[in-house]
Amino acid sequence: QVQLVESGGGVVQPGRSLRLSCAASGFTFNSYGMDWVRQTPGKGLEWVALIWFDGTKKYYADSVKGRFTISRDNSKNTLYLQMNSLRAEDTAVYYCTRVREYGMDVWGQGTTVTVSS
Amino acid sequence: AIQMTQSPSSLSASVGDRVTITCRASQGIRNDLGWFQQKPGKAPKLLIYDAFSLQSGVPSRFSGSGSGTDFTLTISSLQPEDFATYYCLQDHNYPWTFGQGTKVEIK
Repeated sequence: QVQLVESGGGVVQPGRSLRLSCAASGFTFNSYGMDWVRQTPGKGLEWVALIWFDGTKKYYADSVKGRFTISRDNSKNTLYLQMNSLRAEDTAVYYCTRVREYGMDVWGQGTTVTVSS
Repeated sequence: AIQMTQSPSSLSASVGDRVTITCRASQGIRNDLGWFQQKPGKAPKLLIYDAFSLQSGVPSRFSGSGSGTDFTLTISSLQPEDFATYYCLQDHNYPWTFGQGTKVEIK
């Protein structure tokens, strides 16, 4: 079945880095755009970044631009989010999603990132 | 960035009620709007895309309408499994932006 599984979350000190991964299965990964969405504790959803199916275009939220990098390895069916210079406000559950022309139709279960000293 | 203003932020309703949630964009977004449902501890689920198209497998009691700046999600007859938080999302321009959410609670 179509599935996305995130990993790589954890507790990290402010200013440090972390890389999230999202393993895709059950569909042709290299045919779809993918993105990351986060949700801060008890708060709403925030779109973070998107990458085209072939990796040629990437887009970011203003809050992470210059600090986060989205990438993908289509040979491994895996999406990544490299997060540098982490801040307390980056603490959230991070979801990867599959992006179709009409929206985010498949979501992972999420991985939790906590930025704290 | 386009701002999405969702209202109300919460509402109480009974099973069988008709429920309406609205989302207003700070500028025109044609019909590039989706609605998501999220239950506690779970990932969001796509309900409606392109403002009014029902995602496969979503019950027909859910419907969406609107275009330009004003959009509505309607649940025609609220069911026990519909108590959740609902979010709109504009995917017209980057950065994509969500509304702040509407929590639908049991009266």
